[in-house]
Amino acid sequence: DAGVIQSPRHEVTEMGQEVTLRCKPISGHNSLFWYRQTMMRGLELLIYFNNNVPIDDSGMPEDRFSAKMPNASFSTLKIQPSEPRDSAVYFCASSLNRAQPQHFGDGTRLSIL
Amino acid sequence: DQQVKQNSPSLSVQEGRISILNCDYTNSMFDYFLWYKKYPAEGPTFLISISSIKDKNEDGRFTVFLNKSAKHLSLHIVPSQPGDSAVYFCAASMYGGSQGNLIFGKGTKLSVKP
Repeated sequence: DAGVIQSPRHEVTEMGQEVTLRCKPISGHNSLFWYRQTMMRGLELLIYFNNNVPIDDSGMPEDRFSAKMPNASFSTLKIQPSEPRDSAVYFCASSLNRAQPQHFGDGTRLSIL
Repeated sequence: DQQVKQNSPSLSVQEGRISILNCDYTNSMFDYFLWYKKYPAEGPTFLISISSIKDKNEDGRFTVFLNKSAKHLSLHIVPSQPGDSAVYFCAASMYGGSQGNLIFGKGTKLSVKP
């Protein structure tokens, strides 16, 4: 079975550019989560969706960050404009429902120069 | 202000011996706890969980113990194997098992030496 698929695996771009990270959750999973991992703060939840609806976006750092889930099989996390402090590994995870363990993708390593 | 703390950044254990990874939490509202394992360049993988109504949960070589009064949980791996070498994350939630708001510790890197 395919797991959570994230693209790209690596992204290097200059500050000020728009960055779009993509995620395909496991088929049939109703909950989708976006996390950011940094050395300083560890793994932090940015936003999560249930049945394609954003439930909690309190972890989104600022208005430069936005996330969408247009359908059950696709989600995007967008940063516009990007800044060097956004450099991190971004993980997407999905679960059957909010009570089930989350399955993580392999992450996108983002470097903003 | 870390609500979930893993105070040991690293742990080294000999193959065949017991590995004990510790986790402390500050929020008494947490009622569900999980351990995830992470290999380099991969995402975390769910390992084992425990509800606050229990004090122990076992799955093969892995056992999680919960001490609510001390706000402490631990993961025991017996016997440890070289393939267990990874970063282990403790996580907690406070919504009766709903994991929409998982709070993660910063992880402990376990090295199991042959």
